[in-house]
Amino acid sequence: EAGVTQFPSHSVIEKGQTVTLRCDPISGHDNLYWYRRVMGKEIKFLLHFVKESKQDESGMPNNRFLAERTGGTYSTLKVQPAELEDSGVYFCASSRFRGYEQYFGPGTRLTVT
Amino acid sequence: AQTVTQSQPEMSVQEAETVTLSCTYDTSESNYYLFWYKQPPSRQMILVIRQEAYKQQNATENRFSVNFQKAAKSFSLKISDSQLGDTAMYFCAFMRGVSGTYKYIFGTGTRLKVLA
Repeated sequence: EAGVTQFPSHSVIEKGQTVTLRCDPISGHDNLYWYRRVMGKEIKFLLHFVKESKQDESGMPNNRFLAERTGGTYSTLKVQPAELEDSGVYFCASSRFRGYEQYFGPGTRLTVT
Repeated sequence: AQTVTQSQPEMSVQEAETVTLSCTYDTSESNYYLFWYKQPPSRQMILVIRQEAYKQQNATENRFSVNFQKAAKSFSLKISDSQLGDTAMYFCAFMRGVSGTYKYIFGTGTRLKVLA
């Protein structure tokens, strides 16, 4: 069984530019989560999809962040325009059922200069 | 709101020794789950161990075990016979056990280094 994959592994962009992160969950996992870890701080929840629907987006920092999950498969997280404070590692996780363990991807390290 | 605290930013242990990583949490919920995740250098996070709050028995997975003290809201991880491959960042996580998001709330992590 293939694990959760994320692309790119690392992205360096300038302030004001746009970046799109992609996550491919484990096949058959309806639940998809996005988290973010800013340097030295805790990993924070951003949002949760159940299939293609947003179940909870209470952790999204502001309207510069847009997440989508096309057809309930892969998900994208777009940051537009990027700010310096958006730098960090963005993790994606998936689970078959809510309340069960989540499987994490390797993360995308985003650096905004 | 729930919070998770890991008070040890870094720890080290000699190979084959035992080490305990601490985690405390704050919640008013009675039904929840606790997890320890491990993130080796340049690799993805993997689940180490999971504990249901309604279970009094401490979870164990091979060399990994927890000391779950519900009244004290403490959830420490004990690693026995430490191995070089245990070198990693360890995150403690809380999940509410009610319908809804089931999102994780993480601590800031403990960086563990196993010394040869």
